[in-house]
Amino acid sequence: SYELTQPPSVSVSPGQTASITCSGDKLGDKYACWYQQKPGQSPVLVIYEDTKRPSGIPERFSGSNSGNTATLTISGTQAMDEADYYCQAWDSSSVVFGGGTKVTVL
Amino acid sequence: EVQLVESGGGLVQPGGSLRLSCVVSGFTFSSYCMSWVRQAPGKGLEWVANIKQDGSEKYYVDSVKGRFTISRDHAKSSLYLQMNSLRAEDTAVYYCAKIPPVSEWYFDYWGQGTLVTVSS
Repeated sequence: SYELTQPPSVSVSPGQTASITCSGDKLGDKYACWYQQKPGQSPVLVIYEDTKRPSGIPERFSGSNSGNTATLTISGTQAMDEADYYCQAWDSSSVVFGGGTKVTVL
Repeated sequence: EVQLVESGGGLVQPGGSLRLSCVVSGFTFSSYCMSWVRQAPGKGLEWVANIKQDGSEKYYVDSVKGRFTISRDHAKSSLYLQMNSLRAEDTAVYYCAKIPPVSEWYFDYWGQGTLVTVSS
């Protein structure tokens, strides 16, 4: 079965850039999306189709996907961006999530 | 405003059954694929099942095949998950989620979730 791998944690200083990677076999040939989940809340879609932002998502969130790696970048990270982030793709009529990355804003 | 409201969670013994419901509003329910996604306590997200707009096609993660059934009722704008032969590892918050009208599957709206606890 298809697997997506994320680092368990990423730390970033306020105002700096956070990059979260998501690795999978030929992931660049698929669409990747990203969700933000804060404690006690439901996930929120922040990036879809590799690079697109849903309405209401700040411009500081951006995405890319090439080769075996998709990346979520948070530019000018704010304290409110502290959360768990999950990548997701679909393969062979199955949805796959990465294990999640906890972003800590120090 | 798009809303998805789950219900039906609770405490159930191993081997028991439970039926989850998700009532939606704010969009034309019959036009969209829908999904159930779960999250075990302190763990990551796990996709459970998808159902096509007309209910003709259903897809499941291997771990629930033969035990869980996803269904929908357009007249009631409702999505369901019938869960049988429940196991301790099915303990999780279960979210219903809407899939946008695109060729790939991702989730643009989520409900607040309902907690299922399987324990004796």
